[in-house]
Amino acid sequence: AQKVTQAQTEISVVEKEDVTLDCVYETRDTTYYLFWYKQPPSGELVFLIRRNSFDEQNEISGRYSWNFQKSTSSFNFTITASQVVDSAVYFCALSEASGGSNYKLTFGKGTLLTVNP
Amino acid sequence: NAGVTQTPKFQVLKTGQSMTLQCAQDMNHEYMSWYRQDPGMGLRLIHYSVGAGITDQGEVPNGYNVSRSTTEDFPLRLLSAAPSQTSVYFCASSYSRPGRGYGYTFGSGTRLTVV
Repeated sequence: AQKVTQAQTEISVVEKEDVTLDCVYETRDTTYYLFWYKQPPSGELVFLIRRNSFDEQNEISGRYSWNFQKSTSSFNFTITASQVVDSAVYFCALSEASGGSNYKLTFGKGTLLTVNP
Repeated sequence: NAGVTQTPKFQVLKTGQSMTLQCAQDMNHEYMSWYRQDPGMGLRLIHYSVGAGITDQGEVPNGYNVSRSTTEDFPLRLLSAAPSQTSVYFCASSYSRPGRGYGYTFGSGTRLTVV
């Protein structure tokens, strides 16, 4: 069964610090997809990134970067030089391509990031 | 494009009342789903649909009904509201099944309180 664990419930940093949000997943499938979503205080859920299981290249988008390591089943998210606007709940999610689970995204419980000025 | 539209944004119900949460998308997405978000629980799948006329249960379907008569609309019905259904509800859609690599577009959510 697919499972996503975000062990960090809450993180608090000071502006301009770098911060890494951890995501560990479990799946028996060889083809799967990983996602990150952001939920700011306003409540909407915003898509950040998708990664498939065959692409282990790290991705960088501005201050955001993602490190995908199949060997440790992790898909960690780093924010460099954090800003107050980065304060949000961040969700990691997993979907499997085959079997009876390909109809859903399974979400972790989320990490609340607070960036203090 | 409006994307995914959910109504209402807020609702208070009395125990035992019924109501329908509306969800509409204008992206011609095949797949639609309903999730509920509770503190410390993340997002849990209630029901989903892979096309008009096709629906199925997710992880927490009890107390909820859905139907999908058109591609655009996917309403969620609470049959007899209970305090345990107090939650934030999100409708999500995607071009196809998540297992094909398609992420969700979410609606803005409905905050439901059952007293």
